[in-house]
Amino acid sequence: TQLLEQSPQFLSIQEGENLTVYCNSSSVFSSLQWYRQEPGEGPVLLVTVVTGGEVKKLKRLTFQFGDARKDSSLHITAAQPGDTGLYLCAGPLGENNDMRFGAGTRLTVKP
Amino acid sequence: DAGITQSPRHKVTETGTPVTLRCHQTENHRYMYWYRQDPGHGLRLIHYSYGVKDTDKGEVSDGYSVSRSKTEDFLLTLESATSSQTSVYFCAISDSSGGAWGQETQYFGPGTRLLVL
Repeated sequence: TQLLEQSPQFLSIQEGENLTVYCNSSSVFSSLQWYRQEPGEGPVLLVTVVTGGEVKKLKRLTFQFGDARKDSSLHITAAQPGDTGLYLCAGPLGENNDMRFGAGTRLTVKP
Repeated sequence: DAGITQSPRHKVTETGTPVTLRCHQTENHRYMYWYRQDPGHGLRLIHYSYGVKDTDKGEVSDGYSVSRSKTEDFLLTLESATSSQTSVYFCAISDSSGGAWGQETQYFGPGTRLLVL
């Protein structure tokens, strides 16, 4: 069982559509991060959210951290083919605050 | 892009052989990490280093060892490779300027794809 559950696992949409992907846990996190990973490359950090209820915007991407700091969502408005990739959430947990990653949502945006 | 290289980028090896993967950075960052990425599991931390000769275990450290003799190099060794270690391995780096632990930016290398037959 993943500590951070991401849904959906796969999402295929047309250019211009809106979408939301989710990252859920039964554990409380001090912060959560979202990464995007393209095929054959390493993940790239998009945002870090640190306060319960926090909303951050990055152009067409809106990130929200749940009030209880157990979940987060990523909303993309008017998706573009360049948004295609694997979206990963991650957060520090445990004695050493090791980063724990979800399995990701693989997004495909068709032109 | 952060200056991180991994070598080799691809490797095929046989069960029972030793394998060493290298991560090299030009950013002089203090922290270095090794992750593995497998379908359905996301990235899982193997080992990390918080300075030269200072390392610690991560979530999935069994069967792996690491060494860091210089700031810029972090080596991951599979003493006796097994098929369960077939994976894509990523190195990451971060500095300590990101505030609280877990809020720093980790920069990832391009990955090494390892196949153990």
